[in-house]
Amino acid sequence: GNSVTQMEGPVTLSEEAFLTINCTYTATGYPSLFWYVQYPGEGLQLLLKATKADDKGSNKGFEATYRKETTSFHLEKGSVQVSDSAVYFCALSGPWTGNQFYFGTGTSLTVIP
Amino acid sequence: NAGVTQTPKFRILKIGQSMTLQCTQDMNHNYMYWYRQDPGMGLKLIYYSVGAGITDKGEVPNGYNVSRSTTEDFPLRLELAAPSQTSVYFCASSPGSVAPAHTEAFFGQGTRLTVV
Repeated sequence: GNSVTQMEGPVTLSEEAFLTINCTYTATGYPSLFWYVQYPGEGLQLLLKATKADDKGSNKGFEATYRKETTSFHLEKGSVQVSDSAVYFCALSGPWTGNQFYFGTGTSLTVIP
Repeated sequence: NAGVTQTPKFRILKIGQSMTLQCTQDMNHNYMYWYRQDPGMGLKLIYYSVGAGITDKGEVPNGYNVSRSTTEDFPLRLELAAPSQTSVYFCASSPGSVAPAHTEAFFGQGTRLTVV
């Protein structure tokens, strides 16, 4: 079946620290992988995505690489800011899943000045 | 560029009341979804639709109903509201393309529902 396992939170970092949020997946076929971000009181917004193995998605200083050999899509940022405080969701989808989305449970990040 | 629009943003219901959460999208997407998000939890799929006239149950459909008479609209109906339905509800849409590059989901801002 299809599933996403995400690093448990909450995560608290100081400003300018390095961020890694782990995400691994189980899927049939060749899914696309996504990171969504949810700011307080808002809906989910697409942060970045990768559609095939070895693709790197990037946006706003965040990066994640689609690793088929380790079934992983870890989110990284070299220097976090207070404004990055949010909940981050890893997800997979695509034609192989019938276009259903499978989300991880979310990781809450708080960045302190 | 409206995207996915949900109304209302907030609502308080009494136990046993009914209501409809509205969702409309202007991107001509085939796929639409309803999720609920409980505090500190991930998203659970309630219902989804692959096109006008076609709906199917997700993980947690009990106590809800949907319809999809047009491509744009996908309302969620709560019958006989219960405290367990207190949650934040998100509507989303996706092209549902066979091309992996075009499969991302777009979310509305959510409806925060409290049943008392």
